[in-house]
Amino acid sequence: AQKITQTQPGMFVQEKEAVTLDCTYDTSDPSYGLFWYKQPSSGEMIFLIYQGSYDQQNATEGRYSLNFQKARKSANLVISASQLGDSAMYFCAMREVVGSWGKLQFGAGTQVVVTP
Amino acid sequence: EAQVTQNPRYLITVTGKKLTVTCSQNMNHEYMSWYRQDPGLGLRQIYYSMNVEVTDKGDVPEGYKVSRKEKRNFPLILESPSPNQTSLYFCASSLSMGGSADTQYFGPGTRLTVL
Repeated sequence: AQKITQTQPGMFVQEKEAVTLDCTYDTSDPSYGLFWYKQPSSGEMIFLIYQGSYDQQNATEGRYSLNFQKARKSANLVISASQLGDSAMYFCAMREVVGSWGKLQFGAGTQVVVTP
Repeated sequence: EAQVTQNPRYLITVTGKKLTVTCSQNMNHEYMSWYRQDPGLGLRQIYYSMNVEVTDKGDVPEGYKVSRKEKRNFPLILESPSPNQTSLYFCASSLSMGGSADTQYFGPGTRLTVL
């Protein structure tokens, strides 16, 4: 069964606007971590932001923030003030504590194109 | 600079010719892992290692071998590559296996083509 679901295959956003990338997850483990990675066209995987299942506050890292709604099992990424360099594929991933042996489980990704 | 390095970055080879993709991290991480990324299939874990001399299979281990003789290095070995192993390969490392908070940092990726 798919553990991480990203329903938006692709989206366009205008420079300087905010964009929200959707991510829902499925787990019965009470302890887990949620991560977002950025993959530009050059191919590398860049860590953006982390949210723990027990964290009370939403995580923020610069222009990135994570809208964590635990009851809905959603962890949406918000990029504020988009820049041309934000054009990339974005992956949501989850790491469970029990039984996953440290494995990151990834969603299918959302392709973001920032236009001038 | 804290980083995960992989070599080579690009490789074109032929079926059956043994190859090794090296991975090294300088963060003293215990946990290391290999993933492959394929269109439509996303990233899937091949093998992982919890520490020196401790390795185990991930979701797609067939056709691959690994070793962890030193903490910093975790090479991926393809004894007899086949075209279905054409993929983008990532090595990743994190401080440990057990914590949900342990961020996995990825190497730059290796694009492998098997003809």
